[in-house]
Amino acid sequence: DQQVKQNSPSLSVQEGRISILNCDYTNSMFDYFLWYKKYPAEGPTFLISISSIKDKNEDGRFTVFLNKSAKHLSLHIVPSQPGDSAVYFCAASVQRANSKLTFGKGITLSVRP
Amino acid sequence: ETGVTQSPTHLIKTRGQQVTLRCSSQSGHNTVSWYQQALGQGPQFIFQYYREEENGRGNFPPRFSGLQFPNYSSELNVNALELDDSALYLCASSQGDEQFFGPGTRLTVL
Repeated sequence: DQQVKQNSPSLSVQEGRISILNCDYTNSMFDYFLWYKKYPAEGPTFLISISSIKDKNEDGRFTVFLNKSAKHLSLHIVPSQPGDSAVYFCAASVQRANSKLTFGKGITLSVRP
Repeated sequence: ETGVTQSPTHLIKTRGQQVTLRCSSQSGHNTVSWYQQALGQGPQFIFQYYREEENGRGNFPPRFSGLQFPNYSSELNVNALELDDSALYLCASSQGDEQFFGPGTRLTVL
């Protein structure tokens, strides 16, 4: 039973446009959500996070939105750059980000020059 | 500051064998977590160690075991290897909220 779902396996966008990556979860106990980015032959790198007490968190070109009632979060990248091409994982945890992370399957983002 | 390192990079074993994977935590990090990432899947939590004690375990059988040493480096041991154990094994060290991942060990079981 997948508790964190990333239903789209891939996304392709034009450089300069917005990338929107979606994630759904089923476990109501999750209260901390993270996005990780992974390049081939490297480990996942932390990108941005959001606590369940917020509905939005921004960091430069990256914004994460959380809709608790819909159990849905999304990562917006504006503007998208070719260097953003990577696999993006949505992850969730109970109580704190330093505990067990439950990951989605990931989505491969390709940004076309 | 040195990041999280893992060894070996790649490993090939046969079914039934035992394997030990190693992880050196980022300096000052007292917590290490291990994850298994099968092909096409996201990482799955195996277990976490905090100051040399197991501090949480995922849905993995007892043949998956671990150790954390006084310098906070860690080992993941897998006994009686099965074909489905073929995966990328990631360790992550943390102190505070963020987990920093190593590049992983690619294990292939034939």
